[in-house]
Amino acid sequence: DADVTQTPRNRITKTGKRIMLECSQTKGHDRMYWYRQDPGLGLRLIYYSFDVKDINKGEISDGYSVSRQAQAKFSLSLESAIPNQTALYFCATSDLDRSNYNEQFFGPGTRLTVL
Amino acid sequence: QKEVEQDPGPLSVPEGAIVSLNCTYSNSAFQYFMWYRQYSRKGPELLMYTYSSGNKEDGRFTAQVDKSSKYISLFIRDSQPSDSATYLCAMSFTGNQFYFGTGTSLTVIP
Repeated sequence: DADVTQTPRNRITKTGKRIMLECSQTKGHDRMYWYRQDPGLGLRLIYYSFDVKDINKGEISDGYSVSRQAQAKFSLSLESAIPNQTALYFCATSDLDRSNYNEQFFGPGTRLTVL
Repeated sequence: QKEVEQDPGPLSVPEGAIVSLNCTYSNSAFQYFMWYRQYSRKGPELLMYTYSSGNKEDGRFTAQVDKSSKYISLFIRDSQPSDSATYLCAMSFTGNQFYFGTGTSLTVIP
């Protein structure tokens, strides 16, 4: 079974709808992240969480919110979806290794289309 | 100006060739430098990371960091069709938040 899972894998929705993307991990990591990937723009950080009570904005948080329901679960919400939020969304987890490096492990992605 | 610049390619090489992938950056405070590989319809996976400057080798892959020029490279020796993927560079100040390049699409032709 995959260590980092994302649901749904694909979603088509309409402008103005509320959407929730979910991420679960079995790696036991404390840190979790949400990114979006757009052609020509690469991966950009939306939100990140270092533990259940810690939520931080990333580079492009406007229009998004998150919830860290448990160590293993981190959800991303679009309260009122708009077409320019059409993108590939990735969840990632990490934990510090012995050299203090923060290796990130990515989920398989959710392809979201907003019409 | 983006923090991290990467030529998107696409890059196409014959099997067995040496591949050179590069990124430039603008912020001299970056300390961690990473290369990720992303296959189609998959999430990125870490190939190599380097702290500060210098070279690091892992099998057919070599990562180089030149902080004076704000330039990092990934070399792939004896390239294989299975190396066909998009390669993303990434950088971090503290090892917590990461700034990614746009990715270079590589195809290795048998």
